[in-house]
Amino acid sequence: EVQLVESGGGLVKPGGSLRLSCAASGFSFSDYSMNWVRQAPGKGLEWVSSIHRNSNYIYHVDSVKGRFTISRDNAKNSLFLQMNSLRAEDTAVYYCARDRGGGTTFDYWGQGTLVTVSS
Amino acid sequence: DIQMTQSPSSLSASVGDRVTITCQASQDISDYLNWYQQKPGKAPKLLIYDASNLETGVPSRFSGGGSGTDFTFTISSLQPEDIATYYCQQYANLPRTFGQGTRLEIK
Repeated sequence: EVQLVESGGGLVKPGGSLRLSCAASGFSFSDYSMNWVRQAPGKGLEWVSSIHRNSNYIYHVDSVKGRFTISRDNAKNSLFLQMNSLRAEDTAVYYCARDRGGGTTFDYWGQGTLVTVSS
Repeated sequence: DIQMTQSPSSLSASVGDRVTITCQASQDISDYLNWYQQKPGKAPKLLIYDASNLETGVPSRFSGGGSGTDFTFTISSLQPEDIATYYCQQYANLPRTFGQGTRLEIK
């Protein structure tokens, strides 16, 4: 059974940093691209970042470029999102999502971890 | 960025009704479109991929269609467990973008 379990969320002040993690199991992690998708409270879904299975290709939405960095450790079946210079508008539930087709389709999602940016 | 516009934003229907949601892309995306269901407090779930293909294990009352800029998502006979918000998502271009969502309620 495919499982994705996020951790690392919490309350942080504006300008602060957090590192999110996603532990994957039940599939061959190194065979899949992975993504972070976020959802602000009461709002819709926003794709944030994606990383190719061997980390050769990395993409971020413009609003987080220069502040967020996606990475992965295939040996540990783990995905990460380093978030720096956090802003109030980054407040959201952050979901880890497996990518079935090389950046096209999010076929499995974790339960999400809440990041709150507030003073 | 490709803008995805769903309509309606919310919808109230009765059990057994046929329900249709539309999604319009701001430019041609061929059939590079997926549909997701999100129940309250839960993660989204993939229902339809490549505009019209039913994900494994998803009930056949769900269907999708369209290509280019105009797409539809249909529930042929609404069930109580279908109460959720539905999102379309394009993957023709980066950034991947979602529609704003359609909240479906039981009348």
